[in-house]
Amino acid sequence: ELKVEQNPLFLSMQEGKNYTIYCNYSTTSDRLYWYRQDPGKSLESLFVLLSNGAVKQEGRLMASLDTKARLSTLHITAAVHDLSATYFCALETSGSRLTFGEGTQLTVNP
Amino acid sequence: SAVISQKPSRDICQRGTSLTIQCQVDSQVTMMFWYRQQPGQSLTLIATANQGSEATYESGFVIDKFPISRPNLTFSTLTVSNMSPEDSSIYLCSVEMSIGGRRYEQYFGPGTRLTVT
Repeated sequence: ELKVEQNPLFLSMQEGKNYTIYCNYSTTSDRLYWYRQDPGKSLESLFVLLSNGAVKQEGRLMASLDTKARLSTLHITAAVHDLSATYFCALETSGSRLTFGEGTQLTVNP
Repeated sequence: SAVISQKPSRDICQRGTSLTIQCQVDSQVTMMFWYRQQPGQSLTLIATANQGSEATYESGFVIDKFPISRPNLTFSTLTVSNMSPEDSSIYLCSVEMSIGGRRYEQYFGPGTRLTVT
């Protein structure tokens, strides 16, 4: 059975601090997504990681993929309140089907 | 950028009734999917909506409960049949497409928030 596991599930940070969200998965795949979801909203695509060693950065967020370790990370640098949201990783398998992690609910406190 | 719309955006329904949710994309796409997000939970794939043929359902989801139509490359419907309070969820369609010359990615519609009383 395919598993996609995120940790932590809940993260409370102070503004200005750094932290990393981890996404482990149980099967091989060459494509992993990170999405952001604000309360009551749909999903916003943040990153698509396509190959081993891929690293992408957008603002204070940086995502990486290690296909050998079956691990992706989402690193937050100098967090600000606007980053408060729930972050999901999702693994793409055959037929472009996505299996989602449980989500990490991030709260950035002043 | 592509526009994905869903109707209705939200609804409150009585148990035992059915609701049909529409998903419209402003350009032709090959792959369309339906996901469910139960309250406070992650997203789970219900089915792949295949154009011109029956949808492909994931384990735990059946056609009698969630019939899906895909009459063309820009439109799909999901019906939630004989609803119970356990069906209260957000239902989202997603499409795989290339925008602005980028690689194909999956994008999600705004979702339909369903409450069953």
